[in-house]
Amino acid sequence: EVQLVQSGAEVKKPGESLRISCKGSGYSFTSHWISWVRQMPGKGLEWMGRIDPSDSYTNYSPSFQGHVTISADKSISTAYLQWSSLKASDTAMYYCARGDGSTWAFDYWGQGTQVTVSS
Amino acid sequence: QSALTQPASVSGSPGQSITISCTGTSSDVGGYNYVSWYQQRPAKAPKLMVYEVSNRPSGVSNRFSGSKSGNTASLTISGLQAEDEADYYCSSYTSSSTFYVFGTGTKVTVL
Repeated sequence: EVQLVQSGAEVKKPGESLRISCKGSGYSFTSHWISWVRQMPGKGLEWMGRIDPSDSYTNYSPSFQGHVTISADKSISTAYLQWSSLKASDTAMYYCARGDGSTWAFDYWGQGTQVTVSS
Repeated sequence: QSALTQPASVSGSPGQSITISCTGTSSDVGGYNYVSWYQQRPAKAPKLMVYEVSNRPSGVSNRFSGSKSGNTASLTISGLQAEDEADYYCSSYTSSSTFYVFGTGTKVTVL
């Protein structure tokens, strides 16, 4: 069974750093891109960027380029999303999703990680 | 890259059919058959319902069907059921630097 399991909810202060994770299982982790998707409170889905776990090649949405870093450790089938200096506006639910390279669809999703940034 | 345009809400009675539209441009919806649809129930992760405009993943009810005409894609839910009440998002590959673009989302209410 394909699963993406994300790390737990986080509460941070502005200016702090953070890394959240997404562990894949039940499939060959290096065979599918992993994307990160943001959902701000009461709002829609926004694609942030993606990583090819086989070589850690990344693409970012211009809206998020320079604000977050996506990485992966294929030895433990885990992708990461990290911030070096959080802002209150980063408060959101973050989902990882497996990308199907031939259909450009997200066929499996993680359960989501709630990030709250508040002083 | 602007989000694809969806109606904010659509409603229907049990057993009826409803259709959700998703309007983009020739750089995304109109230019490629890489439109997908996702169902998101409250406090849950999105779930893939349709990919490549009209294909259903294994396990998704055949009450869900997709189509496309020009720059507008559509998701039709037939035989509406209470369990279909959720938010629905379309998504498309885009030739812009964002690669992916989501729709604005549609809340489906079963009356």
